Amino acid sequence: GPKVLQIPSHQIIDMGQMVTLNCDPVSNHLYFYWYKQILGQQMEFLVNFYNGKVMEKSKLFKDQFSVERPDGSYFTLKIQPTALEDSAVYFCASSLDQGSANTGQLYFGEGSKLTVL
Amino acid sequence: GDSVTQTEGPVTLSEGTSLTVNCSYETKQYPTLFWYVQYPGEGPQLLFKVPKANEKGSSRGFEATYNKEATSFHLQKASVQESDSAVYYCALSDRDYAQGLTFGLGTRVSVFP
Repeated sequence: GPKVLQIPSHQIIDMGQMVTLNCDPVSNHLYFYWYKQILGQQMEFLVNFYNGKVMEKSKLFKDQFSVERPDGSYFTLKIQPTALEDSAVYFCASSLDQGSANTGQLYFGEGSKLTVL
Repeated sequence: GDSVTQTEGPVTLSEGTSLTVNCSYETKQYPTLFWYVQYPGEGPQLLFKVPKANEKGSSRGFEATYNKEATSFHLQKASVQESDSAVYYCALSDRDYAQGLTFGLGTRVSVFP
């Protein structure tokens, strides 16, 4: 089936450093998402992105976070500077269609585990 | 806001026994309901979805009925296999599908031979 690839699978950094998480979404998909899952907690929506713009973001999407997809390449999540509470698994997802409640199917990557020391 | 509540895991079973993972939801909208499954080392993948109330979804021997009156969407399988060991997520999307899916906490299911 369609695959979403995430790079890196695991990254360890010191607090205050910058990190970029990369996502290669399904090729014909138009909507892209980041979710955050802290160990033992549920996956929570961070942001979605369409046509070069952030469409919606949650309270978890702090000012230190940014997303972009330059020229149709990777969809990236950048955190600058990182904080201890940013340690989590970040899942990228993509979907073909956003507007219909009858679809809404997301395709997820395997996650990028971020450890902030 | 929307919320999803699931059976708290972990759930441990023997092969051949039946599985039920409870899911209840809250939303002011008219949601599509989903079950996602996450196998070790992989991202969540869709098991099945049900867009309409009183309909049933099924896949790989799993099934769930969208019960609008009870606001429930319980996952069931009559006879589990070791390969069903995974984390199962109940989720919903409402008509204003701006924020993707609202997930439950996930239920870890371990099946032993």
